[in-house]
Amino acid sequence: EAGVTQFPSHSVIEKGQTVTLRCDPISGHDNLYWYRRVMGKEIKFLLHFVKESKQDESGMPNNRFLAERTGGTYSTLKVQPAELEDSGVYFCASSQGHGTSISGELFFGEGSRLTVL
Amino acid sequence: DAKTTQPPSMDCAEGRAANLPCNHSTISGNEYVYWYRQIHSQGPQYIIHGLKNNETNEMASLIITEDRKSSTLILPHATLRDTAVYYCIVRVAFGFGNEKLTFGTGTRLTIIP
Repeated sequence: EAGVTQFPSHSVIEKGQTVTLRCDPISGHDNLYWYRRVMGKEIKFLLHFVKESKQDESGMPNNRFLAERTGGTYSTLKVQPAELEDSGVYFCASSQGHGTSISGELFFGEGSRLTVL
Repeated sequence: DAKTTQPPSMDCAEGRAANLPCNHSTISGNEYVYWYRQIHSQGPQYIIHGLKNNETNEMASLIITEDRKSSTLILPHATLRDTAVYYCIVRVAFGFGNEKLTFGTGTRLTIIP
């Protein structure tokens, strides 16, 4: 079974440009999460989808960040326009729905490293 | 979610048991203790979780004190591949709406050959 996959693994862009990160969760997982770690800081929650709906987007830093999950499958996270402080590693995670998971274990992808110059 | 306190770093000899402590004195009755780890630059990996009883799986054991204010993650026979940052996280029961994980600074465990 394929795990959570993220693309690209590394992106280097200039300040002011746009970047779109993609996450493919484990097939059948209703829950999809975005996290990020900026240099030297802790891993921070960004938002949580349940299927195609945003359950919790309290961690989104500002309106330059837009997350979508059309059709409840893969998700994209767009940063537009990118700023220097957006540099970091963006992790995606997925988990089964409450009715099928006891542990609520989150499965994380390898992350997308974003460098804004 | 309740906050946790962990030592910033620990060393353990290869083949020995690694015991990682965590304090969560403000944990609520409906909050579980979860452990994740992050090996180098990979994504975090789930290890184990528990409510009040001790738990064991193929990766580790989790010992929770009777008052639930602290816990210990035990890796019974540490290997070099266990070198990672270990995160102790408390979280409400899955399915009660607030399922996000709040990562702290964790414990950097180094396994010494």
